[in-house]
Amino acid sequence: KNQVEQSPQSLIILEGKNCTLQCNYTVSPFSNLRWYKQDTGRGPVSLTIMTFSENTKSNGRYTATLDADTKQSSLHITASQLSDSASYICVLETSYDKVIFGPGTSLSVIP
Amino acid sequence: IAGITQAPTSQILAAGRRMTLRCTQDMRHNAMYWYRQDLGLGLRLIHYSNTAGTTGKGEVPDGYSVSRANTDDFPLTLASAVPSQTSVYFCASRGVAGEAFFGQGTRLTVV
Repeated sequence: KNQVEQSPQSLIILEGKNCTLQCNYTVSPFSNLRWYKQDTGRGPVSLTIMTFSENTKSNGRYTATLDADTKQSSLHITASQLSDSASYICVLETSYDKVIFGPGTSLSVIP
Repeated sequence: IAGITQAPTSQILAAGRRMTLRCTQDMRHNAMYWYRQDLGLGLRLIHYSNTAGTTGKGEVPDGYSVSRANTDDFPLTLASAVPSQTSVYFCASRGVAGEAFFGQGTRLTVV
């Protein structure tokens, strides 16, 4: 069983709409949970970071939440834009040299 | 511009040939990583280095080798390429804050 799972695998939404991406994990304990955005043909870039004890973190139109009890994190995107089309990757950092990547959710925002 | 530089950006390689993917960073990060990214599988760690002079095996190290002669460079070598090594390869570095910075990727096709 994968230690980090994401859903949905892919998603298509209309420009201006909101969406929520899910991340379920079994890794415990961990130090940080990050969401990365990966544009097509580029490397991933960090969007948000939360420590084990944090519940929410925002970065502009992106808001990440963390529920340590259910071992779930979500990334909510508000008022989506065409430039939000990308893969979004949930990442858990357990120690300095242990980083576990989820498979990612591919988001397409269409006009 | 500070960051991670990978070369080449893409390569078509005959099976059985030797290939070295180059990675250079100018952020003086101690930790560096090589990942491969395949559709539906997400990023998988090949090898890592916590500091110059040391390396370690990741999740999928077979068929690959690395060296870390200095802080800035972390080349990945395929001694005898096979078609299953067709993938997109990302080099990354991490500083003390924990965020990983990725290169733009190398798209490798082994035929």
